[in-house]
Amino acid sequence: RKEVEQDPGPFNVPEGATVAFNCTYSNSASQSFFWYRQDCRKEPKLLMSVYSSGNEDGRFTAQLNRASQYISLLIRDSKLSDSATYLCVVNRRAGNAGKSTFGDGTTLTVKP
Amino acid sequence: SQTIHQWPATLVQPVGSPLSLECTVEGTSNPNLYWYRQAAGRGLQLLFYSVGIGQISSEVPQNLSASRPQDRQFILSSKKLLLSDSGFYLCAWSVNGNTEAFFGQGTRLTVV
Repeated sequence: RKEVEQDPGPFNVPEGATVAFNCTYSNSASQSFFWYRQDCRKEPKLLMSVYSSGNEDGRFTAQLNRASQYISLLIRDSKLSDSATYLCVVNRRAGNAGKSTFGDGTTLTVKP
Repeated sequence: SQTIHQWPATLVQPVGSPLSLECTVEGTSNPNLYWYRQAAGRGLQLLFYSVGIGQISSEVPQNLSASRPQDRQFILSSKKLLLSDSGFYLCAWSVNGNTEAFFGQGTRLTVV
């Protein structure tokens, strides 16, 4: 079983739709959580951190359920520019460093 | 502000040739540094990480090595490339193991 699992999609949605991505992680010692966005053939860029209390940034809402080891990302009012691959990332301590484990990503295509 | 530079952007190398990819970070001291590889359509695989000069941890056995000769310089090397070394190589830095990572623009390596 992979340490971080995401539904690969693809998700094809019309503009204005609401779409939700899920991610599960297996290591209960995981300490911090993030969503990244990656455009085709580009480097991943941080979208938002994920906190236990949940957090919102404009149209994006991230939630963490530590008991279920589950992370979600909700995108409301989808825009064409939201088309990208969304990567779930889970960090845990590894000695003096942290180890980030990336999911394989969920691909979103927003269509007019 | 902090910036991360990675070069070259693309590279085509013959099998058996050596490799040297360089990454430098500006605007921060004693960062955690990482090398990742991404196969097409897949998530990121952590190859190496470093918490300080001369300190390298390897995540997976492979045909590659890493070095950190200076605080903000991270180098990925190979003595003899294999076809399977082809991929998208990404350098990243973070403040510590629990914070988000920031990526360079990546090097797309094709071994022919």
